[in-house]
Amino acid sequence: KNEVEQSPQNLTAQEGEFITINCSYSVGISALHWLQQHPGGGIVSLFMLSSGKKKHGRLIATINIQEKHSSLHITASHPRDSAVYICAVHSGNTPLVFGKGTRLSVIA
Amino acid sequence: KAGVTQTPRYLIKTRGQQVTLSCSPISGHRSVSWYQQTPGQGLQFLFEYFSETQRNKGNFPGRFSGRQFSNSRSEMNVSTLELGDSALYLCASSSGALSYNEQFFGPGTRLTVL
Repeated sequence: KNEVEQSPQNLTAQEGEFITINCSYSVGISALHWLQQHPGGGIVSLFMLSSGKKKHGRLIATINIQEKHSSLHITASHPRDSAVYICAVHSGNTPLVFGKGTRLSVIA
Repeated sequence: KAGVTQTPRYLIKTRGQQVTLSCSPISGHRSVSWYQQTPGQGLQFLFEYFSETQRNKGNFPGRFSGRQFSNSRSEMNVSTLELGDSALYLCASSSGALSYNEQFFGPGTRLTVL
């Protein structure tokens, strides 16, 4: 079974700062997802990637398959980015395995 | 396109009762997955249905069951509720036949067991 580790667990940043959240997994994967969960519970899928890099607005996700590691970057952070960010992986055709999440607070 | 909907959004039950939660996927999506989220365990996979067939099942007791209908709507049932079943239950739908397609999550049903 895949083990997914995220770091840091909690992160507080000043508005405008560049933020990096890391995710490591133990077994080869089919795809890795970055999810965002706001207070109240709703989850939004930010990225799904299996190689390279993806960018959407101020968010960038990268993955290194050889090192079994992915990063989520937020440029010019804003208080509305405050949320829990969750990394999740698929191995083969198996269900998602989730990390514990990173709680981000961006202070104005 | 309307998003994934879940009903009810909040539910309070007592130990020993049973509960049924409903999930309507995005139109055209044939895969529905269910997840349980608790503060202690985080997000855990319950089961996945594709075209009315259970494709995967997580490590949960038999009190947890589910089904999918021909219109892709899905229900999950928990019988003989325990205090530890208090959680946010999320469903997600995806369009493809592969488990690792992008998933679209519903708002969740928050279940409290007293």
